[in-house]
Amino acid sequence: DSGVTQTPKHLITATGQRVTLRCSPRSGDLSVYWYQQSLDQGLQFLIQYYNGEERAKGNILERFSAQQFPDLHSELNLSSLELGDSALYFCASSVDGTSYEQYFGPGTRLTVT
Amino acid sequence: GQQVMQIPQYQHVQEGEDFTTYCNSSTTLSNIQWYKQRPGGHPVFLIQLVKSGEVKKQKRLTFQFGEAKKNSSLHITATQTTDVGTYFCAGKISSGSARQLTFGSGTQLTVLP
Repeated sequence: DSGVTQTPKHLITATGQRVTLRCSPRSGDLSVYWYQQSLDQGLQFLIQYYNGEERAKGNILERFSAQQFPDLHSELNLSSLELGDSALYFCASSVDGTSYEQYFGPGTRLTVT
Repeated sequence: GQQVMQIPQYQHVQEGEDFTTYCNSSTTLSNIQWYKQRPGGHPVFLIQLVKSGEVKKQKRLTFQFGEAKKNSSLHITATQTTDVGTYFCAGKISSGSARQLTFGSGTQLTVLP
């Protein structure tokens, strides 16, 4: 158990819908990262937050947005969903935003039908 | 953009054989991390290498960071069925504004009993 929690574990929704994925980092970690992992694909970095502020942005679509709240939990919002958005979405946390290892949550499996 | 290439993509070995995965970056890395993802699981941090030419060992696993800090390798001696999974390297570039880790595409290891 990494100490990072993600909800829900599974999500099935239809095209065009909007969903919110939630992540709580390990106690004491200030930085949260979001990754997308499609079937047999590597980890695609989406976005990073550090202590409530956006720190780095990767290949995140404009239909996707995220935020980190004062209690350091984070939410990833995915809108106008398409079939191709079906994937595993991982949240990871680290002590700070630069040099420390990342601890991954169990992931949310999103299926868009 | 910054790329981290990893080979091979797949590797099947007989239990007891050795296994090596290689990671190459187009630019100099400030550090490199290795993660293991078991089937159906989430990535788990294994180790971080920071110094040029650094070699670290964890039981049967040996990690190396190249002299030029552009490549790295993970070698497993005498594989066991518990080694099954996908091994990812993740590098952080040493200059520029990018602060996120760039993950390689992973090497999926299958160990045949």
